[in-house]
Amino acid sequence: NAGVMQNPRHLVRRRGQEARLRCSPMKGHSHVYWYRQLPEEGLKFMVYLQKENIIDESGMPKERFSAEFPKEGPSILRIQQVVRGDSAAYFCASSLRVGDSYEQYFGPGTRLTVT
Amino acid sequence: AQSVTQLGSHVSVSEGALVLLRCNYSSSVPPYLFWYVQYPNQGLQLLLKYTSAATLVKGINGFEAEFKKSETSFHLTKPSAHMSDAAEYFCAVYYNDYKLSFGAGTTVTVRA
Repeated sequence: NAGVMQNPRHLVRRRGQEARLRCSPMKGHSHVYWYRQLPEEGLKFMVYLQKENIIDESGMPKERFSAEFPKEGPSILRIQQVVRGDSAAYFCASSLRVGDSYEQYFGPGTRLTVT
Repeated sequence: AQSVTQLGSHVSVSEGALVLLRCNYSSSVPPYLFWYVQYPNQGLQLLLKYTSAATLVKGINGFEAEFKKSETSFHLTKPSAHMSDAAEYFCAVYYNDYKLSFGAGTTVTVRA
């Protein structure tokens, strides 16, 4: 049973470009969570999505960041016009159902470097 | 805001010595508590979790943690450190609001 998959594992973008990070949850999981890990810090919650719905985006920066989880395909975290401060590791997690939201399985992360 | 505090950003132990990593949470309502391990450039792996059952929780790789409500603590221990335990460890708390809140992490180095 494949775990949570994220791609790319490493992404380099110049300032002003767009970054698209993909997350495929574990098979059968319909709940996805995105977290950001800045250097020397713990993970910080960004957004919680179910299929076609954003449930909680309280941790998302107000501008340039967006997330989606379409009916078909992976969840996408999109960062427009990246800046150096966006350099971080972005982790995706998934859970089976809302009652099991504490049982989150993490992917390997995407490490974004903005030059 | 509910939070979790990890005391000590770096811990160095000798191989075979006790590993003790400290975690305290801030809430009068006992949450669910977790310890995760992260190896360099990898994702998070769940070591163990407390979900209001037994207060002494055993996890993988010989780690265990004890939930102490009176101290609002959930410290992680391993009796005998191994070189492969060198990693970063995160304590996390869940308050039934979908999100995990993580501590800043403790980096463990193991001396031969």
